Amino acid sequence: DNQLTQSPSALSASVGDRVTITCRASQDIRHDLNWYQHKPGRAPKLLISDASNLDTGVPSRFSGAGSGTDFTFTISSLQPEDIATYYCQQYDNLLLSFGGGTRVEI
Amino acid sequence: EVQLVESGGGQVQPGRSLRLSCEASGFRFDEFAMHWVRQAPGKGLEWVSGISWDSGNLGYADSVKGRFTISRDNLKNSLYLQMNTLRPEDTALYYCAKVMRFRSALDYWGQGILVTVSS
Repeated sequence: DNQLTQSPSALSASVGDRVTITCRASQDIRHDLNWYQHKPGRAPKLLISDASNLDTGVPSRFSGAGSGTDFTFTISSLQPEDIATYYCQQYDNLLLSFGGGTRVEI
Repeated sequence: EVQLVESGGGQVQPGRSLRLSCEASGFRFDEFAMHWVRQAPGKGLEWVSGISWDSGNLGYADSVKGRFTISRDNLKNSLYLQMNTLRPEDTALYYCAKVMRFRSALDYWGQGILVTVSS
């Protein structure tokens, strides 16, 4: 099974800060890595697919990069509404797995 | 507008069974793979099970393999999760989610349904 290791597990930053989260896969997954935002009481929201493709309507301050085993997710200028937990996710022929999540606080 | 609405949750004793349903609308249900994802209290997202558009390919997390069965009825635009031999550690909010066209991401999610396994 392909494991995803996400770090850090939590971070605290100020409004306007640049925030970066990393996700490492135990096997080469090419660009098959997605990122979600999850707020309490809400359904998870897809932000980025295929490592770097911003989903429709997602603000441009969110971005993703990487391939193979190492990936990054960046918020270029943290906003109060970005308080949430962020997850990476990989897909292998109907078998999915999520990273452990990163809780972002201000 | 895409909508996914889960139902069938509740409180159940350990060892008993429960069947979750997810009714889909706003898209061609029979064209997309679907998944169940859960979140236990205070924990992260955990993938549970997935099914291809034609039910020809199924996948399960090791934690539920042999106890849970995923299925779908394309005529009823519905996804199901039969959960047998439930354990306290199955207590979670269960989401159904749709796979994005031509990609591996889950682009639409339901609001989730709570399953509590407790005596």
